[in-house]
Amino acid sequence: NAGVTQTPKFRVLKTGQSMTLLCAQDMNHEYMYWYRQDPGMGLRLIHYSVGEGTTAKGEVPDGYNVSRLKKQNFLLGLESAAPSQTSVYFCASSHPADSYEQYFGPGTRLTVT
Amino acid sequence: GENVEQHPSTLSVQEGDSAVIKCTYSDSASNYFPWYKQELGKRPQLIIDIRSNVGEKKDQRIAVTLNKTAKHFSLHITETQPEDSAVYFCAASRPSRGNKLVFGAGTILRVKS
Repeated sequence: NAGVTQTPKFRVLKTGQSMTLLCAQDMNHEYMYWYRQDPGMGLRLIHYSVGEGTTAKGEVPDGYNVSRLKKQNFLLGLESAAPSQTSVYFCASSHPADSYEQYFGPGTRLTVT
Repeated sequence: GENVEQHPSTLSVQEGDSAVIKCTYSDSASNYFPWYKQELGKRPQLIIDIRSNVGEKKDQRIAVTLNKTAKHFSLHITETQPEDSAVYFCAASRPSRGNKLVFGAGTILRVKS
């Protein structure tokens, strides 16, 4: 049982490049989330999904897109990376029927130059 | 939307002393309040949580209290140990609305031995 995994662990992009971050969970959780963490600001919600095929915006969705084609995967895309998107990205999942706890992945450190 | 404020931003205590971190929230409909611990370079991990139908919850050296009227909740760590040194985040959510966590900015706890 791997829990929540994220790919890649680190990435450096140039301004304007695109990339996709992959989150996978093997706990059969309905809900999945993408957060970003910046120094001194805690974690902020980018997008979330309450089930396969559904997505919704969080606090800071601009510049990001997401897809949830399979229940176990939640993809975060950056179409045209900007230096302001330099951050650590965490994926999380939870199952509303079990408890409210969100389980976090190990994070992806992204630098945009 | 919800806003969570957390104080203090840094806290230094002597080993064996108690530590208290306080959070206030703005949305009276929030009814789930978790606390996460994050060690340097690691993912956030849930240490304790409380739901709005409970005023206090304890787990060994850790306790959380909730005052719904005043809209604040606190984390209490007793008999602190060096391994308690980390960043602690409070959060608030409405599980019926996707359980989207809104985090405080975090408290850096240093336990001096």
